[in-house]
Amino acid sequence: DVVLTQTPSTLSATIGQSVSISCRSSQSLLDSAGNTYLYWYLQRPGQSPQLLIYLVSNLGSGVPNRFSGSGSGTDFTLKISGVEAEDLGVYYCMQVTHAPWTFGGGTKLELK
Amino acid sequence: QVNLLQSGAALVKPGASVKLSCKASGYTFTDYYIHWVKQSHGKSLEWIGYINPNSGYTNYNEKFKSKATLTVDKSTNTAHMELSRLTSEDSATYYCTNWELDYWGQGVMVAVSS
Repeated sequence: DVVLTQTPSTLSATIGQSVSISCRSSQSLLDSAGNTYLYWYLQRPGQSPQLLIYLVSNLGSGVPNRFSGSGSGTDFTLKISGVEAEDLGVYYCMQVTHAPWTFGGGTKLELK
Repeated sequence: QVNLLQSGAALVKPGASVKLSCKASGYTFTDYYIHWVKQSHGKSLEWIGYINPNSGYTNYNEKFKSKATLTVDKSTNTAHMELSRLTSEDSATYYCTNWELDYWGQGVMVAVSS
């Protein structure tokens, strides 16, 4: 199975600070058709996960543009340009290039 | 609007089975696969598999092939997941999701204890 390693596991930030989360894959997520199926989710406390970014860098519906995704192959990054209080929770990367679909271990974003 | 309403949360004994339900509304049920995801307490997410509500075709994560059985009832727009031979390792919150549209159920907790 593809292993997704997220760093850091915990991130402390102040409101307005910009932060980045890394997601490294044990295999390339580029498929034979040239697509990279890497997604980012946010799970707020007590809620279900919600999509932030799809296909590496595309913003999900209704997601603020302070969120951005980048990367290729095995290395991916989620950036939040100016953390807001509503951004607190656990962030997960997920890949669906290879079966079975797998998630990273999560990065908890908390207020400093 | 789209909604996935889950039911079946339970406290069950080791060795027993439990059937979880996921009732879809607000879209054409047979147009989108229903996926199931496991989240052990305080831990990450695991993809269990999906079912095509139109054909009944299923695709499982190998890890859950002998644990989970996915079915649908098209007459009620409901997807079901049965978990069998439960152990403490199965204690978790389980989500159903219309992954393509990014709609998730609220999650249901299964606690396995004697």
